[in-house]
Amino acid sequence: QPQLQESGPGLVKPSETLSLTCTVSGDSISSSGYHWGWLRQPPGKWLEWVGNIYYDGRPHYNSSLESRVTISRDTSKNQFSLKLSSVTAADTAVYFCARIKIRSSGWTPFDYWGQGTLVTVSS
Amino acid sequence: DIQMTQSPSTLSASVGDRVTITCRASQSITSWLAWYQQRPGKAPKLLIHETSTSESGVPSRFSGGVSGTEFTLTISSLQPDDFATYYCQQYSTYPWTFGQGTKVEVK
Repeated sequence: QPQLQESGPGLVKPSETLSLTCTVSGDSISSSGYHWGWLRQPPGKWLEWVGNIYYDGRPHYNSSLESRVTISRDTSKNQFSLKLSSVTAADTAVYFCARIKIRSSGWTPFDYWGQGTLVTVSS
Repeated sequence: DIQMTQSPSTLSASVGDRVTITCRASQSITSWLAWYQQRPGKAPKLLIHETSTSESGVPSRFSGGVSGTEFTLTISSLQPDDFATYYCQQYSTYPWTFGQGTKVEVK
């Protein structure tokens, strides 16, 4: 079964760019069987979908974040990454990466997750 | 954006109880609805996708269904491991959206 692991700074200053990487083992991120996603959860709140990156590299973003978010990948390292610019305290959250399984009859969303990483936005 | 309204926000129950959580979408999502269980400090765990298809390894006491525009997650006999927070999620239309969660707590 696949393993996903988020990594990146736990503290980011306001107005700077949050950068996280998800390292995947056990699956290829360029396999046509899977897409990959980023989600976040502010402390004590519910989950929010940030965006997906398809196996062919195409990204799809939450419209509420689209002007600030970039999801990219490095197939040589089997990693995909999240960048969120101009962060504020409202971007403080646990950030998760997760897998989406592609089936002939549709998709299975977020069947495997990383453990999550807390990013705090503070000066 | 499609709004997912989940209820109740908190549910107090005892071991052995049958519990049902509901989720209503603000527009049609056909059958593209998933349910997750989240324990404190952990990543969510996918229980059910496509309204009623259980993930491998999920106990049979968990079931998903739909009645009209209301999607349901039912736990037929609550077990100690089941006290957690549950979320619904639509993946019919971008942006994918989640309900606000239902915390199942000990009565």
